[in-house]
Amino acid sequence: DARVTQTPRHKVTEMGQEVTMRCQPILGHNTVFWYRQTMMQGLELLAYFRNRAPLDDSGMPKDRFSAEMPDATLATLKIQPSEPRDSAVYFCASGLVRDRVSNEQFFGPGTRLTVL
Amino acid sequence: DQQVKQNSPSLSVQEGRISILNCDYTNSMFDYFLWYKKYPAEGPTFLISISSIKDKNEDGRFTVFLNKSAKHLSLHIVPSQPGDSAVYFCAASLSTYYGGATNKLIFGTGTLLAVQP
Repeated sequence: DARVTQTPRHKVTEMGQEVTMRCQPILGHNTVFWYRQTMMQGLELLAYFRNRAPLDDSGMPKDRFSAEMPDATLATLKIQPSEPRDSAVYFCASGLVRDRVSNEQFFGPGTRLTVL
Repeated sequence: DQQVKQNSPSLSVQEGRISILNCDYTNSMFDYFLWYKKYPAEGPTFLISISSIKDKNEDGRFTVFLNKSAKHLSLHIVPSQPGDSAVYFCAASLSTYYGGATNKLIFGTGTLLAVQP
């Protein structure tokens, strides 16, 4: 049963600390997304990778957030320094794009981040 | 600016009745639309989709209708069941956003559906 995995599931940290969230996309998928869920904005896209290359990170605060894919089985989202307003649920999703066919994204269970 | 809007934050329906969830979009270039369902403490899961070349797609109890002239789509659930209680997200895609195929999605803010037994 292929699924996207995310670690940790929950993270509580203090303001100013570095936070690293990890995602393992579904094997064979060539696109990876990071989202942040908030009450007001719903699911906000933070970053989008295709074949491990970043295509779009316009939704990400550049001064404190960074997203990488060190290899095809790992995507990371880092926040340094973290702030209370970063408290949210962060989702990773992966999908497969071929030619002109768009397919749905498959989501992980999320990381609930609380910054005190 | 929210390109995909779900104006009803919540909806309550009796079991067995029809649930209708609505979604509006502003970008006429969107060509693929999806509905996702989300239970608490879980990630969203894909429910049903529709291409812009169609106006209806049906899958069991779920039907999505697309009205391109009104830039509006809706999800109908008939009959509604208590297990359908969840947050429903509408999403839209520009399949050639980057000059090639893409599955980048723009999501709405979600509608919380409560199906009362």
